[in-house]
Amino acid sequence: SAVISQKPSRDICQRGTSLTIQCQVDSQVTMMFWYRQQPGQSLTLIATANQGSEATYESGFVIDKFPISRPNLTFSTLTVSNMSPEDSSIYLCSVEDRRGLETQYFGPGTRLLVL
Amino acid sequence: AQSVTQPDIHITVSEGASLELRCNYSYGATPYLFWYVQSPGQGLQLLLKYFSGDTLVQGIKGFEAEFKRSQSSFNLRKPSVHWSDAAEYFCAVAPEGGGNKLTFGTGTQLKVEL
Repeated sequence: SAVISQKPSRDICQRGTSLTIQCQVDSQVTMMFWYRQQPGQSLTLIATANQGSEATYESGFVIDKFPISRPNLTFSTLTVSNMSPEDSSIYLCSVEDRRGLETQYFGPGTRLLVL
Repeated sequence: AQSVTQPDIHITVSEGASLELRCNYSYGATPYLFWYVQSPGQGLQLLLKYFSGDTLVQGIKGFEAEFKRSQSSFNLRKPSVHWSDAAEYFCAVAPEGGGNKLTFGTGTQLKVEL
């Protein structure tokens, strides 16, 4: 499985500001994913990020609120824009197994608290 | 649309006791099925997965799961729980051939009493 790191691991932010979360993988992967886990909730897919193309967003998530970059095959960023307390969540990135085994591996997550 | 139900929000077991975590899915065909574990302050770790073949799947950390098509279930089991197994467990499904479209259950929080 891939080794995935995320920065920052946690942050406390003021409403109206933006935070960019970084996801780094130790090997080249085609597909990277961003999830949100709201307090006491399960994981919800925000978007899929492929290198060289625009991210694909799931219903309820828009690019203006969650812009994503995917500059190469080992790195991606998710920005949470114009934050409100409702954005307080754990944000996780994941990658698909590079052997194409239809399996995702997750990073440690970024714990965000918006005041 | 596919969905996953984990009926038990919290489960408490004694160390050394057996464990079964329930997972039911709703999907028109046979989906891909996964169990992940999230330890406090950690990300998700894959325990095991089922795509096809033998319906009893062995995973890491002594866990196993059994796919029962007739019951649309994929329950996770462990014969003897260790205190370090205390964590939250998520069942997830994806359509066949669509492993990038994971749908997660709401999770089961496992507490282990010493």
